[in-house]
Order: sequence, then structure tokens, then C-alpha cells
Amino acid sequence: AQSVTQPDIHITVSEGASLELRCNYSYGATPYLFWYVQSPGQGLQLLLKYFSGDTLVQGIKGFEAEFKRSQSSFNLRKPSVHWSDAAEYFCAVGGRIGATNKLIFGTGTLLAVQP
Amino acid sequence: GAVVSQHPSRVICKSGTSVKIECRSLDFQATTMFWYRQFPKQSLMLMATSNEGSKATYEQGVEKDKFLINHASLTLSTLTVTSAHPEDSSFYICSASQGAIYGYTFGSGTRLTVV
Repeated sequence: AQSVTQPDIHITVSEGASLELRCNYSYGATPYLFWYVQSPGQGLQLLLKYFSGDTLVQGIKGFEAEFKRSQSSFNLRKPSVHWSDAAEYFCAVGGRIGATNKLIFGTGTLLAVQP
Repeated sequence: GAVVSQHPSRVICKSGTSVKIECRSLDFQATTMFWYRQFPKQSLMLMATSNEGSKATYEQGVEKDKFLINHASLTLSTLTVTSAHPEDSSFYICSASQGAIYGYTFGSGTRLTVV
């Protein structure tokens, strides 16, 4: 079955420190992978996506993610976190699942940033 | 870029009444639209997938008679919560897609409160 796992429910980092948010997926074929960010009470903003090609993808706001097929992972990274990065981050896998095109989300990681 | 408009952003209704939420793709034609429900501090749960002109495909456990979905055109989908009860109070988010490889664009969400 298709699924997405984000092992870290909550992470706290200091402003200026590096960040890595973990994501593992289960999908029968090459997945379409996404990272979204959500501020409280808001919709979702796409940070980056991977479809094919270069396994290191660059996104907005200084984020990047690396697709590792052997580990079924798509971890999100940022070299230096800003206070405005505090939000909920969701990893998602999309594509044809069964008969329909779907996007399935992980449980999310809540990022807190300390001054 | 692709924009999805979702209205209303907030709605309060009395128990037993019905509420309609609209989701419009403003600058692209969405072959598929998705409706998600999000409980506080939780991930997005896919409720249903709808293709233009077809009946919606509901996820297991989602009552199709309670959550009516209509996708009458390539730019509009509606979710009607019928005979709403307090347990239906939640954050509902729609998403539109031209196909997985084009990605998924999200609306800003609707906060439904049933009193």
C-alpha cells in the first residue's frame, strides 16, 4: 500500500542552525514526491517536488530535498533556519494509486525555531 | 502560477443545516480535484477524489451521503456537508490537479464550525 512516514512529530532548532526533516515513502513505482509547508489556519504552500532526473531538488525559501531510491527517502533540508520557517511541514507522494490520481500525505512535522 | 480559490474561508452553521464549500481553479483546467479534511494538529486526510463530469471516488470510511461532491466543470468543484453536526467541525481543504506530473495546487481552506 502507498504510504508516507514522517518519523519526527515535532522538531525544535535554533535560528541559524541547519535542518533536516525526514520522510520515507512506500510506493509501487517511481513516485512523485512533494514537500509542503502549512502555517496555522492556512492552506498548503509547495516547497519543492521531485518527478525524475536530478535527485537533489531545489525549492523555495532556501529548501532542498534529496530523493534516495535505495532508502525510499525524500528528506528536506535547509542549511540555516530562519524564525519565519516555524510551521508544519508535510511530505506527500502523488501519482496513480489504484484507478485514480491521488496525493497522500505524511503525518507532518511541526518545526519550532528558537531565537 | 496555478491558483486555486476556496470559499468561504470560515463558516459557522447550526446543527442540522447544510453547508456548501466551493473550490475553483482560476487559471488552469483541473481534471481532478481533491477534498481533504484536517483535524487540529493532524495531517490531511483525503476524503474524496473527483474528476470532471464523473462521480466522486470516496475514501474508505467517508460517508458519501453526508459529504456530497460535485465537479461540474473543469474549474469548479463543490463539497456540501449535509445535515451538519458538531463532529463535522473541521478544516476542509481542496486541491486541484491537471495530472500528477503537473503537481497539485491547494486552496486556502475552509474552517467549518457547527454549533
